[in-house]
Amino acid sequence: GIQVEQSPPDLILQEGANSTLRCNFSDSVNNLQWFHQNPWGQLINLFYIPSGTKQNGRLSATTVATERYSLLYISSSQTTDSGVYFCARQGLTGGGNKLTFGTGTQLKVEL
Amino acid sequence: GAGVSQSPSNKVTEKGKDVELRCDPISGHTALYWYRQRLGQGLEFLIYFQGNSAPDKSGLPSDRFSAERTGESVSTLTIQRTQQEDSAVYLCASSLIVGGYTFGSGTRLTVV
Repeated sequence: GIQVEQSPPDLILQEGANSTLRCNFSDSVNNLQWFHQNPWGQLINLFYIPSGTKQNGRLSATTVATERYSLLYISSSQTTDSGVYFCARQGLTGGGNKLTFGTGTQLKVEL
Repeated sequence: GAGVSQSPSNKVTEKGKDVELRCDPISGHTALYWYRQRLGQGLEFLIYFQGNSAPDKSGLPSDRFSAERTGESVSTLTIQRTQQEDSAVYLCASSLIVGGYTFGSGTRLTVV
């Protein structure tokens, strides 16, 4: 079946550090999104990025669709960055009209 | 509205009772999705609506689950004869045909 694998599963950072989260997917995609779920459960859409690179403040994302992976960069991390980061994909060939979510990266940023 | 609105925010129900969850999408968003998230788990797809097309119900876990949406407006997710394993946060999202999803704050359902 369609797979979305995220790494690392857990990450602890000191405030101010940088990090890279990875998302591998098993098929071609036409829709790749990154979300942040804060400790209160709210899901926030960070990027809609089926290909290329986008930046939003301290966050940026790159998707290389031909190699079936996406990266989320967090620079100068802050405690408010804590939570779970999900990537999700919608494929060209399988999975229907829905995003399939990865299992997430649990990030904790400490002072 | 400015965002996706879900109600109620919390629901406690007795096993065997029916519950109805509501989602009000962003105005103009033609696509609407329901997901379920159990404690500490990822998001599990339930159902997808796109305009007036037939919904994609492939994620509904049993025939106790159903959902409706009229046109591009409010959607309701109904769970009949609730079971304890139905306890979860039910999340609704909407989007344009192409673009990012916007999620609501969810309904936390507890079946006792």
